[in-house]
Amino acid sequence: GENVEQHPSTLSVQEGDSAVIKCTYSDSASNYFPWYKQELGKRPQLIIDIRSNVGEKKDQRIAVTLNKTAKHFSLHITETQPEDSAVYFCAASGPGGGADGLTFGKGTHLIIQP
Amino acid sequence: NAGVTQTPKFRVLKTGQSMTLLCAQDMNHEYMYWYRQDPGMGLRLIHYSVGEGTTAKGEVPDGYNVSRLKKQNFLLGLESAAPSQTSVYFCASSSTGYNQPQHFGDGTRLSIL
Repeated sequence: GENVEQHPSTLSVQEGDSAVIKCTYSDSASNYFPWYKQELGKRPQLIIDIRSNVGEKKDQRIAVTLNKTAKHFSLHITETQPEDSAVYFCAASGPGGGADGLTFGKGTHLIIQP
Repeated sequence: NAGVTQTPKFRVLKTGQSMTLLCAQDMNHEYMYWYRQDPGMGLRLIHYSVGEGTTAKGEVPDGYNVSRLKKQNFLLGLESAAPSQTSVYFCASSSTGYNQPQHFGDGTRLSIL
């Protein structure tokens, strides 16, 4: 089955700086890669996703890049703000596109220092 | 439009007791999923369903059963609860499943004593 590794487990950045979270996956047939943000005690919420036919996707201050050859994808947050503090999870679909579930990384606790 | 609703939000059980967690979605989604979230482990798939009347095992199915008698509902059952099943349980749904976002409920925090 699919295996997803996520790094770092904790990331502390100054407000206004950029943050980068990296994930690797094992199944080369995976084709869908979402990122979720989870605040303490809340549900995971989708913030951005990318499909395997695209190398990069942006949404305001958030961007995701995908390198299919190296089997890794990254989340980039620019101009970080206090409300960006949360746990972020990457996930990979496996060959089924997520229809048979997603495999999640173990999460990155992002701390924005004022 | 409530999205994905889970009941109950909290529950404490004794070892050996049984219970059912309910997930309901009002988005007419075909695909539904049950995950568990443990500290430092991310989310792990327990069971999923690709449509009414269907269920399938995920990564960690042992000790759980599921049913999808109606398209909008996906039930997760614990027949004989064990302390190792103490966790936060999340239900999710997706429209077509393939390359589509999964939308999560607020979770059920379950403690087994």
